[in-house]
Amino acid sequence: DTGVSQDPRHKITKRGQNVTFRCDPISEHNRLYWYRQTLGQGPEFLTYFQNEAQLEKSRLLSDRFSAERPKGSFSTLEIQRTEQGDSAMYLCASSLTVTVEAGGELFFGEGSRLTVL
Amino acid sequence: QQQVKQSPQSLIVQKGGISIINCAYENTAFDYFPWYQQFPGKGPALLIAIRPDVSEKKEGRFTISFNKSAKQFSLHIMDSQPGDSATYFCAAKAGGFKTIFGAGTRLFVKA
Repeated sequence: DTGVSQDPRHKITKRGQNVTFRCDPISEHNRLYWYRQTLGQGPEFLTYFQNEAQLEKSRLLSDRFSAERPKGSFSTLEIQRTEQGDSAMYLCASSLTVTVEAGGELFFGEGSRLTVL
Repeated sequence: QQQVKQSPQSLIVQKGGISIINCAYENTAFDYFPWYQQFPGKGPALLIAIRPDVSEKKEGRFTISFNKSAKQFSLHIMDSQPGDSATYFCAAKAGGFKTIFGAGTRLFVKA
């Protein structure tokens, strides 16, 4: 399978615990995005990387959230001191962006669903 | 972050009918307008996309109509089928930056 893979698919945790999600993008893709999706809403942008550089973070992303993409391959999204409001589907997507003008189709994984009790 | 407004929230269409979903945007820097389709338990997948230099793009039963002056674009699904039942998101992107999604439309096609 050469698509975007995410792990774990489901995570249930207690409020205050830390959680980490992993995303493995399509191997030749240079861009990796994290989105959050709550029930009945569209994906909400969190952050994105071009290779290993984190180029943008949403203002909605509190300092409890941190993302890394070491060596420009897989990425991790960590949420510290989880709150019930963090319960959502966390989606990872990758794209191959050759030029600024390129469309940049996003290829999404199936998501990691977080439930904070 | 609501830069793309999508309507309706939900839509029920008879099999064989036409499904129409509308989106409006404000940011004139947007230059790429994709539509994504999402089935339950899956991530969104690109369905069709358009750039603002054309007014219409058709791929099979799916057509995007684009009105640059009104800053609106819409998805038309012709001959809608039960297998088209899914959530559809319009989106917009400016240059090499992030993709912004609408809130989504849940489409149900009745057999």
